Amino acid sequence: AQKVTQAQTEISVVEKEDVTLDCVYETRDTTYYLFWYKQPPSGELVFLIRRNSFDEQNEISGRYSWNFQKSTSSFNFTITASQVVDSAVYFCALTANQAGTALIFGKGTTLSVSS
Amino acid sequence: KAGVTQTPRYLIKTRGQQVTLSCSPISGHRSVSWYQQTPGQGLQFLFEYFSETQRNKGNFPGRFSGRQFSNSRSEMNVSTLELGDSALYLCASRASGWSTDTQYFGPGTRLTVL
Repeated sequence: AQKVTQAQTEISVVEKEDVTLDCVYETRDTTYYLFWYKQPPSGELVFLIRRNSFDEQNEISGRYSWNFQKSTSSFNFTITASQVVDSAVYFCALTANQAGTALIFGKGTTLSVSS
Repeated sequence: KAGVTQTPRYLIKTRGQQVTLSCSPISGHRSVSWYQQTPGQGLQFLFEYFSETQRNKGNFPGRFSGRQFSNSRSEMNVSTLELGDSALYLCASRASGWSTDTQYFGPGTRLTVL
């Protein structure tokens, strides 16, 4: 079965702190795709990154970085020097053959950044 | 390019009624998926349509149905509404039906059932 676990329900930080959001996934497929989405209060899910199971290179985009480790089935997301605008719910998601074309989401991590 | 649009944004219905939600995908995208988001169950997949055919379905009762038109626009219908159907309904589109493609989401329709 496919499963995504985001153990951190809520995280609160002060501006300029670094914060890491954890994501652990389960799948028996050898080919799969992992995603991170951001959901601000407006409700729309905003795509942040996609990573396939064959590419374990870490990625950095501005203040955002992602660490993919197949050995621990983790795909963690770090925000460096957090800002108030980063406050949102962040979802990790997985898609693989067993799920067809559906995205399997974790429960999400609510990040609150205060000034 | 315009993003995914959903109408209406907010809807209030009473138990037993039915409701239709609409989704217009990004221009050129042929696949539309629907998801239900509730505080208790999180984000759950409802179904996906590609080229007017339902190709994947989640674990929801038959009261939830959908369709896709030749222009890729999609509608979702919920009949005999129950209180538990109150949720944010999100539509996502992607260029093809392949799971390799990224799904881009609309702003959602917030349905309240009284």
